[in-house]
Amino acid sequence: SQQGEEDPQALSIQEGENATMNCSYKTSINNLQWYRQNSGRGLVHLILIRSNEREKHSGRLRVTLDTSKKSSSLLITASRAADTASYFCATDALKDDKIIFGKGTRLHILP
Amino acid sequence: KAGVTQTPRYLIKTRGQQVTLSCSPISGHRSVSWYQQTPGQGLQFLFEYFSETQRNKGNFPGRFSGRQFSNSRSEMNVSTLELGDSALYLCASSLVLAGVGTDTQYFGPGTRLTVL
Repeated sequence: SQQGEEDPQALSIQEGENATMNCSYKTSINNLQWYRQNSGRGLVHLILIRSNEREKHSGRLRVTLDTSKKSSSLLITASRAADTASYFCATDALKDDKIIFGKGTRLHILP
Repeated sequence: KAGVTQTPRYLIKTRGQQVTLSCSPISGHRSVSWYQQTPGQGLQFLFEYFSETQRNKGNFPGRFSGRQFSNSRSEMNVSTLELGDSALYLCASSLVLAGVGTDTQYFGPGTRLTVL
């Protein structure tokens, strides 16, 4: 079964608005990563947050992690057309070091 | 530095055949992981190789196998193909084991396998 579950499954917003995606997971983790995938291509690593970190920033990206709720959020500020993609969270489970991906959020930025 | 490369990019096979996919990691990376991506199941972990040894394995049948060579290049093989094996197969490389520390995985463009 999937470790990470993203929410929502799909999101459409106007260019310039902020986009927020959430990820919930089931077991204790070493770290959590967010990836982007453009239509049927390989994944691009966006940001990694360790289990002892609560927030991390990278450019227009802001990631939070709440280990007590086993959840993370990815915020993309001032969205652009090029942000249209699927976004996945991936957790590195503490018990077996396997990297498990969620099913992703499809983000569509409207012009 | 060249990225992760996968060959072939597209492949069409028929049920019952077998297929071998290849992945060349980023130079210096010793870990290669394989994933299967389908619309229904999403991204699922197949296995990870490090220094020519399988270090981790997902929940896939024995028809799925892999190996890693001394130059870190990896191949995965699927025997007796089924329609449900149609998917995008992604490989990712990292310096050390993917689950260790804060190492990042770098993904290749994938091989799109269609089973007819």
